[in-house]
Amino acid sequence: EAQVTQNPRYLITVTGKKLTVTCSQNMNHEYMSWYRQDPGLGLRQIYYSMNVEVTDKGDVPEGYKVSRKEKRNFPLILESPSPNQTSLYFCASRGSGSYEQYFGPGTRLTVT
Amino acid sequence: SQQGEEDPQALSIQEGENATMNCSYKTSINNLQWYRQNSGRGLVHLILIRSNEREKHSGRLRVTLDTSKKSSSLLITASRAADTASYFCATVPTGANSKLTFGKGITLSVRP
Repeated sequence: EAQVTQNPRYLITVTGKKLTVTCSQNMNHEYMSWYRQDPGLGLRQIYYSMNVEVTDKGDVPEGYKVSRKEKRNFPLILESPSPNQTSLYFCASRGSGSYEQYFGPGTRLTVT
Repeated sequence: SQQGEEDPQALSIQEGENATMNCSYKTSINNLQWYRQNSGRGLVHLILIRSNEREKHSGRLRVTLDTSKKSSSLLITASRAADTASYFCATVPTGANSKLTFGKGITLSVRP
C-alpha cells in the first residue's frame, strides 16, 4: 500500500531535550516536506526536500533541522525543543511528475 | 506566509444540500489544490486546477478558478454526513514548484 508513515504519533517531552520525528514514504517520491498545523493558522511549511541531499527552508524553519540521506526518509530534528513548538506535525511527499501531495497521519508533539 | 484564505471559516448544512467554499490568494500561481482533513488526521488531496483552467470536475466535486480575481471555489453537490471535515485550499506559486502554501481551512458540518 502506498503510504507515508510517521513516528512517533504522539510525543510529550520537556524543553531542551533533543528529539527526532521520522518520516518514510514507499512511493519513490522525490519531493518531501514537513508542515506544522496550529489552530487558526492552518498548515505552514517548515522544510522541504527536492531529492537526496537537497533541502531548503519553508516558511517557519527556525528551531528545526532536517536531513535527506535516503530517498525514502526525511526526519525532522528538534535540537532544543521549546513550548512554542507544541503542534501537530505532518510529513508529505509527491513525485516529480505530479503536484498531488500524500500526507502522513501526523505527529502530535507537546513540549512542556 | 499564508497565501490562501478560505471563506467561510465554518459552514453547516443539511445532508443532500450543496456546499460552496471559497478561497482567495495573493500572488500568481501555477496551480491551486483542495485538500480534505478529517479530525486530527492527515490531509487527503481532492482536486487540482491549473492556472490555465477555469473549471474542473471530479465526482461530486466542482472547482472553479478565476485568476483575474485570484479566487477559487469548491462546490460539493448532494452532501453526505461523511463529507464532514475541514477543507483547505493550497497554492503552488509561479516559479516556486516546491512550495505549497495552505489557507487556514473551512470546517464543514453536514447534518444527517
